Amino acid sequence: DSGVTQTPKHLITATGQRVTLRCSPRSGDLSVYWYQQSLDQGLQFLIQYYNGEERAKGNILERFSAQQFPDLHSELNLSSLELGDSALYFCASSVTAGVGGELFFGEGSRLTVL
Amino acid sequence: AQSVTQLDSQVPVFEEAPVELRCNYSSSVSVYLFWYVQYPNQGLQLLLKYLSGSTLVKGINGFEAEFNKSQTSFHLRKPSVHISDTAEYFCAVIENTGNQFYFGTGTSLTVIP
Repeated sequence: DSGVTQTPKHLITATGQRVTLRCSPRSGDLSVYWYQQSLDQGLQFLIQYYNGEERAKGNILERFSAQQFPDLHSELNLSSLELGDSALYFCASSVTAGVGGELFFGEGSRLTVL
Repeated sequence: AQSVTQLDSQVPVFEEAPVELRCNYSSSVSVYLFWYVQYPNQGLQLLLKYLSGSTLVKGINGFEAEFNKSQTSFHLRKPSVHISDTAEYFCAVIENTGNQFYFGTGTSLTVIP
């Protein structure tokens, strides 16, 4: 158990819909990362937050947004969903904003868009 | 721009045989290196990491990796694999001045009985 909690574990929805994925980092970790894992794209970095502020942005679509709340949990919002958004979405947390801080991953949220 | 290359997408190996999973990176600055393992239907977990010091790093489950700065490589090795090592393995890099981890595309290790 990494200490990172993600909900829901599985989610099935239709195209055009909106979903919210939630992540609770390990106790004491200030940094949260979101990754998308699909069969053809591998592990893609989406966005990182550190202590409530956006720190780095990767290949995140404009239809996607995220935030980190004062209690340090984070939410990833996916809207106007398309079939290609079907993937495993991972959250990872770290003590620091990067250097020296290894990532601890949650078990992921599997999104299926029909 | 930084990148991580795992040349072998799939590696089949017989039980108790040695294995090497290759990882190369590109960066103009010093880096920190990681290997993660992902078992089916699970998240990624850290196998080992190189931050500084000895270039030979030992991790969990009998795995080790060697950092080679001149060849910009961080290959993962195990002298004798078990069925339970069947999993996806990811190499990751972060620059010493950065805050973004870059992952390779992963290597699927299948141990054959």
